[in-house]
Formats: sequence, C-alpha cells, structure tokens
Amino acid sequence: EAGVTQFPSHSVIEKGQTVTLRCDPISGHDNLYWYRRVMGKEIKFLLHFVKESKQDESGMPNNRFLAERTGGTYSTLKVQPAELEDSGVYFCASSSLFTPGQQETQYFGPGTRLLVL
Amino acid sequence: GNSVTQMEGPVTLSEEAFLTINCTYTATGYPSLFWYVQYPGEGLQLLLKATKADDKGSNKGFEATYRKETTSFHLEKGSVQVSDSAVYFCALTDSGGYQKVTFGTGTKLQVIP
Repeated sequence: EAGVTQFPSHSVIEKGQTVTLRCDPISGHDNLYWYRRVMGKEIKFLLHFVKESKQDESGMPNNRFLAERTGGTYSTLKVQPAELEDSGVYFCASSSLFTPGQQETQYFGPGTRLLVL
Repeated sequence: GNSVTQMEGPVTLSEEAFLTINCTYTATGYPSLFWYVQYPGEGLQLLLKATKADDKGSNKGFEATYRKETTSFHLEKGSVQVSDSAVYFCALTDSGGYQKVTFGTGTKLQVIP
C-alpha cells in the first residue's frame, strides 16, 4: 500500500510568487492534515480536512494560504503571494475516519521543503 | 493550550551508548503521547505511542513511559546504533475527537561509530 505522497519535494521561489503544494493521502483515508515546520522550530498544525470539508483551519497563518481538497481525495495548499517567513517544511498526514474511543494514527508524508528568497 | 517541551540537540553519542531524550508536556485532560522519528531524507514515522498513564510504548529497542505525575514521556534506548541517527519529535494529541498533533521542537541525534 502506498503511503502519503507529497509533491514537489523541494521548491525555491521568489518573494511575491505563488506556489502550490500537493498531498496525496493513503487511499481510503478521510482525514487529511497539513502541518508546517519553520526554521527548525516545532511542527505546527495548519488545518484538517474530513473528506472534502474543512474540519479545523485554526492553524492557518493568514489569508495568503488556501487549502483545498476537491472530491475528498488529494489536497493542495497554495501560498499566494509567498513571503520570506513562509519558508519551511510542509508536511501532510492522513488517517482513517475517526471512531469514538479509538486512537487515531496519522501517517505522514516526506514533506515539501519550501524556500522563499 | 497544549505544548510539548523536549531537550535541545544536537545530541552526539558513540555507538552502543545509552540514549535519553527528555520530553515534558502540558495538556488538559488525558492526552495520548507519541514519539515520531524523521530519518535523513524521509518523512515522519511513528516510533511509539502510549495512550494512558503508566503505559509503556516500545519499538525498535526504544522505550518511553507515560508519567502523568511528572507530565513526562522520556525516550530511552539502551544501545544506540549509527542507523538511529535522525531527528526525534515528542508529540501529543488530545483525548477524544479529531486529534491534531502538537509537536515538540525535535531533537537531532547523531550516532558516531
């Protein structure tokens, strides 16, 4: 079974440009999460999809970030326009549908390294 | 809110040395606790977990015990190998409901032959 995949693995862009990151979750996983690690700090939650709906987007830093999950399959995270402080590693994770009383395990992708110059 | 504090790295050890990476947490209720590992060039992998007080998670020779009285979840391994060189993240999720992960800053471990 394929794991969580992310594309691209690396992206270098100039300030003001637009970048779109993609995440393909494990097949059948309804939960999809985005996280970000900035400059060696802790990995922080950005948002959570359940199927195609945004369950929690409390971690999105500002309105330059737009996440979508069309059809409840893959997800994209667009940064427009990119700023220097957006540099970091963006991780995606997925898990199967939450069941009350059961511990959810999130499976992470390899991340996308974004550098904004 | 929830938070996780782990020892800063990098940690450099000789092969076969004993490893401890300290981790403490702040959370409401009864969180589940995790250690994730990121090997060079790879994604985050779940190393071990514990879901209630006094539980011990273990995997690949690593262990961590959920200590509610000290709000700690220290990672230990009796004899590290060069292949254990990686970044280790302590993390937690809230009990109940959808469970976004709260991570620590990560500790880089380098094991030298």
